[in-house]
Amino acid sequence: DAGVTQSPTHLIKTRGQQVTLRCSPKSGHDTVSWYQQALGQGPQFIFQYYEEEERQRGNFPDRFSGHQFPNYSSELNVNALLLGDSALYLCASSLAPGTYGYTFGSGTRLTVV
Amino acid sequence: DQQVKQNSPSLSVQEGRISILNCDYTNSMFDYFLWYKKYPAEGPTFLISISSIKDKNEDGRFTVFLNKSAKHLSLHIVPSQPGDSAVYFCAVFGGSNYKLTFGKGTLLTVNP
Repeated sequence: DAGVTQSPTHLIKTRGQQVTLRCSPKSGHDTVSWYQQALGQGPQFIFQYYEEEERQRGNFPDRFSGHQFPNYSSELNVNALLLGDSALYLCASSLAPGTYGYTFGSGTRLTVV
Repeated sequence: DQQVKQNSPSLSVQEGRISILNCDYTNSMFDYFLWYKKYPAEGPTFLISISSIKDKNEDGRFTVFLNKSAKHLSLHIVPSQPGDSAVYFCAVFGGSNYKLTFGKGTLLTVNP
């Protein structure tokens, strides 16, 4: 049973560029949440998608946007990259928006130079 | 403002002894409290949870205690094993927002 898969695993981008990260949820899960984990910090909530709509959003600028597809997979887009966007980006899936049983992927390590 | 605080960045214990990890939270409306474990280059994995209506939950070597009056959560690992060495995150769920909110984590090192 495949868990949450994220791609790519590592990425290096230049300041000002745009990046797209991808996530496939665990089988049976329809809700996807994205988190940013900076070095030495806990995961910070970016946003959550359900039924192809953004349902909740954390304290992140509009440069961070997302999408959910009919098959429940999701993308995280970050525009105009800053050095401070360098972090581990984690995708988590769950059975429904109101459930706490999150399954996390291994993350995408983004480095902005 | 941090809703979840893990004040100890690191903890070192001997194999076979008890590990106690602590967490404080600010909002008394949270419904569930969770612990996640994270190894390097992996995502966080769920360890154990407790509902706000309980004060203790056990799962094998892991026990979580909830003190609602103190807004304090702790994870006890007995006996500790070298494979338990990882970063442990406390997380809360519920209240006005149905999303997991994490603390900064505690790095546990279990020495053989």
